[in-house]
Amino acid sequence: DAGVTQSPTHLIKTRGQQVTLRCSPKSGHDTVSWYQQALGQGPQFIFQYYEEEERQRGNFPDRFSGHQFPNYSSELNVNALLLGDSALYLCASSRTVYNEQFFGPGTRLTVL
Amino acid sequence: AQSVTQLGSHVSVSEGALVLLRCNYSSSVPPYLFWYVQYPNQGLQLLLKYTSAATLVKGINGFEAEFKKSETSFHLTKPSAHMSDAAEYFCAVSERGGGTSYGKLTFGQGTILTVHP
Repeated sequence: DAGVTQSPTHLIKTRGQQVTLRCSPKSGHDTVSWYQQALGQGPQFIFQYYEEEERQRGNFPDRFSGHQFPNYSSELNVNALLLGDSALYLCASSRTVYNEQFFGPGTRLTVL
Repeated sequence: AQSVTQLGSHVSVSEGALVLLRCNYSSSVPPYLFWYVQYPNQGLQLLLKYTSAATLVKGINGFEAEFKKSETSFHLTKPSAHMSDAAEYFCAVSERGGGTSYGKLTFGQGTILTVHP
């Protein structure tokens, strides 16, 4: 049983560019959440998707957007990248009625 | 609003010694509480969770945590540290089902555990 997978593993972009990160949830899970973990910090909640809709959103600007597909996989898009967007982006999946979230290995984004 | 405070960004113990990582939370509604571990360059792995059953929760790798409502604490312990326990540990809180933020995890800043031979 594959766990949560994310791609790519690492990514380097320059300021002003746009980036798309991808996540495939654990088998049987239908809810996907995204977190940003800056160096030396705890993860911060970006948003959560369920039934292809954004269900909850954290304190992140509109430059951060997402999408969930019918197969429950998800994308995180970040526009107009800033140096401060450099971080590890974690995807977590869960079943609808359970609170336990399973995390993927993350995508390390570096903005130069 | 919910928040988590982890006391001590770095904890160092000797192999075989007691591990104690401290976590205090703030929540306006009864919470779910979690401890996650993160090894270098990896994602988060769930160690244990409190969801309103027994207040003493046992997790993987010999870890356990006790929910103390009066102290708003959820400290993580392990009787005897192993070298393989060296990692970063995160305490997290979320609302129970039905809350407006149900499913959103709020994490502490993390505690790096170092284990000396």
